[in-house]
Amino acid sequence: QVQLVQSESEVKKPGSSVKVSCKASGGTFSTYPINWVRQAPGQGLQWMGRIVPFVDIANYAQKFQGRVTINADKSATTAYIELSSLTSEDTAVYYCARAPGTYNSDPFDIWGQGTMVTVSS
Amino acid sequence: QSALTQPASVSGTPGQSITIPCTGTTSDVGTYKVVSWYQQHPGQAPKLMIYEVTERPSGISNRFSGSKSGSTASLTISGLQAEDEADYYCCSYAGGSTWVFGGGTKLTVL
Repeated sequence: QVQLVQSESEVKKPGSSVKVSCKASGGTFSTYPINWVRQAPGQGLQWMGRIVPFVDIANYAQKFQGRVTINADKSATTAYIELSSLTSEDTAVYYCARAPGTYNSDPFDIWGQGTMVTVSS
Repeated sequence: QSALTQPASVSGTPGQSITIPCTGTTSDVGTYKVVSWYQQHPGQAPKLMIYEVTERPSGISNRFSGSKSGSTASLTISGLQAEDEADYYCCSYAGGSTWVFGGGTKLTVL
């Protein structure tokens, strides 16, 4: 069974960047999309983007275009999300979530434990 | 891509049935039969409960069911149990390899 293990919490200054990792173990990595979803304190879930490691194609939510980069290292079975120009509004728990296939109908069936990113001066 | 609309809260008593609506537009829920529902307990990652509008993953109780009419999808939980108390989120495919979540609904079991 695939497990997703994310990197530890981060504290960042406004204007800086953060990179969060998501390592997959126990199954095939490159075939399945990895999505990134964030949740601000007390708020709902927000889809940010995804990558299909096998073809190295990423798609992003319009809200984050130009400020987010999602990539993957197939040899390390790890996906990454990098968010730049951080503000306090980026303070959130960032989750990675796998889809069991590349069809648009495939849901997010396996989730990482979440990484808390705090943006504070 | 605006968030799908869900009521902020719903409540029910043990044994009752409740329904959580999720309203989108013709750009997402109204066009695609790709709605999923996630349960989230405090401090935990979300858990997939329903996918493709009506399908249940292995291991999910048949007390959970989904439906869709037009641009509104719904999650119904029958035979409410205390352990069902959680936040619930709908999610829809929105075209162009993008997805959108609902704002979330807090379910209280009285």
